[in-house]
Amino acid sequence: GAVVSQHPSWVICKSGTSVKIECRSLDFQATTMFWYRQFPKQSLMLMATSNEGSKATYEQGVEKDKFLINHASLTLSTLTVTSAHPEDSSFYICSAQNRLAGDGEQFFGPGTRLTVL
Amino acid sequence: GNSVTQMEGPVTLSEEAFLTINCTYTATGYPSLFWYVQYPGEGLQLLLKATKADDKGSNKGFEATYRKETTSFHLEKGSVQVSDSAVYFCALSASGNTPLVFGKGTRLSVIA
Repeated sequence: GAVVSQHPSWVICKSGTSVKIECRSLDFQATTMFWYRQFPKQSLMLMATSNEGSKATYEQGVEKDKFLINHASLTLSTLTVTSAHPEDSSFYICSAQNRLAGDGEQFFGPGTRLTVL
Repeated sequence: GNSVTQMEGPVTLSEEAFLTINCTYTATGYPSLFWYVQYPGEGLQLLLKATKADDKGSNKGFEATYRKETTSFHLEKGSVQVSDSAVYFCALSASGNTPLVFGKGTRLSVIA
């Protein structure tokens, strides 16, 4: 089946530092990848849509200069949280769509828990 | 716009009880419908899906039927187990490359 990996699975960093999270589709090509943020006991909040080779489309209220997204290949997208602060602590989840499938199914990574001290 | 409404939780059931989690949607056209499950500390896993009216998705004893006339996609399982304890999300996709629209999730706890 389609597998999406995320790295790291958890990270603790100091306030003011930047953190990069990788999202990889392991056995399929993903034209489109999505980045979500999830707070405890809440649903997923879509942050941005990332298309290979083009700029990401950010949802309203998401700072594109703070959450840098790069989708340089059909199997890799990265999210960089720049100058992280404690309020950025959250569970970040990526997902990918198989370019050959047409039903909109997304395959999710296992998530990355970010804690900013 | 497109939206998904699912029953609020938490839902607590005894083992072997019957489960129903209601989900209704609003969408233009003919969306695809999904149920995802999230176990504690993990990402989302696809549980089942249906891509057209009257389709029934099924997996691991769970079932949901795409009902266009009632714009619903209710999740059911005849006999739940403790291992089914998780958060369940109903979602729709309006078209191939658009983001999924999620419901708020329903937390299910099954007690022995």
